[in-house]
Amino acid sequence: DADVTQTPRNRITKTGKRIMLECSQTKGHDRMYWYRQDPGLGLRLIYYSFDVKDINKGEISDGYSVSRQAQAKFSLSLESAIPNQTALYFCATSEQPPGTHGYTFGSGTRLTVV
Amino acid sequence: AQTVTQSQPEMSVQEAETVTLSCTYDTSESDYYLFWYKQPPSRQMILVIRQEAYKQQNATENRFSVNFQKAAKSFSLKISDSQLGDAAMYFCAYRSPAGGTSYGKLTFGQGTILTVHP
Repeated sequence: DADVTQTPRNRITKTGKRIMLECSQTKGHDRMYWYRQDPGLGLRLIYYSFDVKDINKGEISDGYSVSRQAQAKFSLSLESAIPNQTALYFCATSEQPPGTHGYTFGSGTRLTVV
Repeated sequence: AQTVTQSQPEMSVQEAETVTLSCTYDTSESDYYLFWYKQPPSRQMILVIRQEAYKQQNATENRFSVNFQKAAKSFSLKISDSQLGDAAMYFCAYRSPAGGTSYGKLTFGQGTILTVHP
């Protein structure tokens, strides 16, 4: 099994719908992150969590919310999806402190909002 | 805030030749980490190489090496003896040191698509 699992792998949804992207990890890491990837923009941070009770906004949090249900689970919600939220979404984890190993990434969720 | 810039949206190389991908960054911190990630068509983000800013020696991992120029805030990736499997999107990333509001967060560049021709 993958260290960081994202579900679904691909999703098409309609404008205005609420959608949740889920992430679970077996790394035992305290820190979890949600990024979105857009062509020409790289990966940008949406939200991050340093532990279950510590959730922080990233640089592009508008239109998104998150829930840290447990150390191993961190979900991202789009309350009312819009077409410009069409992107590739990544969940990632890191140690506390991060050490030299960077992050462990999930395999991404490709979201299309029509 | 830190920024990372990859000025080459696309690069190409012939199989077995060498290619260099460029990355510059902006920071006021003196200690930090730099990374190169590879993203093949499978979408998986794969760590290629990392560099600690306090180390003057350039990092090397097999065919991959970096040219780290701290004063110039430059961190380029050199791929030697390129292989077809090296074809991917490559991201440069910066991570802040301990302490402060940016602690532990990765900031990514825009990415460079590398094509390898047989």
